[in-house]
Amino acid sequence: DIQMTQSPSSVSASVGDRVTITCRASQGISSWLAWYQQKPGKAPKLLIYAASTLESGVPSRFSGSGSGTDFTLTISSLQPEDFATYYCQQATSLPPFTFGPGTKVDIK
Amino acid sequence: QVQLVQSGAEVKKPGASVKVSCQASGYSFTGYYIHWVRQAPGQGLEWLGWINPRSGGTSYAQNFQGRVTMTRDTSISTVYMELSRLRSDDSAVYYCARVPGNYLVFFDYWGQGTLITVSS
Repeated sequence: DIQMTQSPSSVSASVGDRVTITCRASQGISSWLAWYQQKPGKAPKLLIYAASTLESGVPSRFSGSGSGTDFTLTISSLQPEDFATYYCQQATSLPPFTFGPGTKVDIK
Repeated sequence: QVQLVQSGAEVKKPGASVKVSCQASGYSFTGYYIHWVRQAPGQGLEWLGWINPRSGGTSYAQNFQGRVTMTRDTSISTVYMELSRLRSDDSAVYYCARVPGNYLVFFDYWGQGTLITVSS
């Protein structure tokens, strides 16, 4: 199985800050990676797929990069509505479709 | 607009079974795989399996083999996830989610979630 890790597990930041979250796969997954945002009591929301493709309607302050085993999600200028937990997910055709453990972004 | 609407919360006793429904609307039901993902309280996301609404074919995560069954009813655009021999650690929010394509397996639309509580 492909294992996913994320760092940091949590980050405290202020509005306007640049935030970077890292995701690592236990084996190479090319660009088959997705990122989600989840707010308390809500379903996850797709932000990015294929490592760097922004889902329709997602603000351009979100960006993704990476390939192989190392990936990053960057929020260029944190907004109040961005305080949430972020998950990466391996999106190859090989099950199980594992998620990272999540990174909580909260207010400094 | 695409919507996945799930059935309501349930409380079950250990050893019982639960069946959660997910009704799709706003798109061609048989054109997209549906997956199930769960989230225990305060925990991360765990994948359970998928169903192909066109053929009824399924694939389950190894951790749930023998306990989970996914079915569908094309006449009402609904998929079901049944989990048997429930344990306390099955208490979680269960989500259905749609996969938009044939290659990358990611989830573009999610149901609102169904809270399953397992307690004696």
